[in-house]
Amino acid sequence: GNSVTQMEGPVTLSEEAFLTINCTYTATGYPSLFWYVQYPGEGLQLLLKATKADDKGSNKGFEATYRKETTSFHLEKGSVQVSDSAVYFCALSDLRNQGGKLIFGQGTELSVKP
Amino acid sequence: GAGVSQSPSNKVTEKGKDVELRCDPISGHTALYWYRQSLGQGLEFLIYFQGNSAPDKSGLPSDRFSAERTGGSVSTLTIQRTQQEDSAVYLCASRGGRDSSYEQYFGPGTRLTVT
Repeated sequence: GNSVTQMEGPVTLSEEAFLTINCTYTATGYPSLFWYVQYPGEGLQLLLKATKADDKGSNKGFEATYRKETTSFHLEKGSVQVSDSAVYFCALSDLRNQGGKLIFGQGTELSVKP
Repeated sequence: GAGVSQSPSNKVTEKGKDVELRCDPISGHTALYWYRQSLGQGLEFLIYFQGNSAPDKSGLPSDRFSAERTGGSVSTLTIQRTQQEDSAVYLCASRGGRDSSYEQYFGPGTRLTVT
């Protein structure tokens, strides 16, 4: 079945450091890929998405590129801020074949220190 | 407009009792999903409703779990004879029509504690 594996946390960075959170997936069909973020005390929010191979999703300075050849969707940000401290979830869904239910990675907690 | 709402926000129950969790999706959204977020299992899909189609129940962990969606809108997730391992945050999400964006909008969740 479909699955998502992401880098284990917690990850601790200093402000303005470069961030990479690795995410790889296993899927049949043509999944869409997502990064969701959960800020402390808040609900899940969509951060960015990519619906086909080679698409790049971007939002709030974060980027991720859908790489079919490496089955990856790594999240990157050039310069993190304290306000980026949150838990990040990589996810996939196959709207055409599985109704769009999200399959999540285990989450990566990011802590950014001033 | 209003987002996805869930009630109650917190529920503490004794082992063996039944509980009902409610989800009000975004008005007009035809797809509704339930997920569970727990320390041991991460974020897991439970059940999915799309319009009038039969729900996809493939993620329900046991027959103690059931859900219904009345009138294509509000959904209730019922857990019978609760166990301590049912303690988790239960999340509801909704999505627009079949041809809309893939984005699911999540509610704030119901934190269930079974004592």
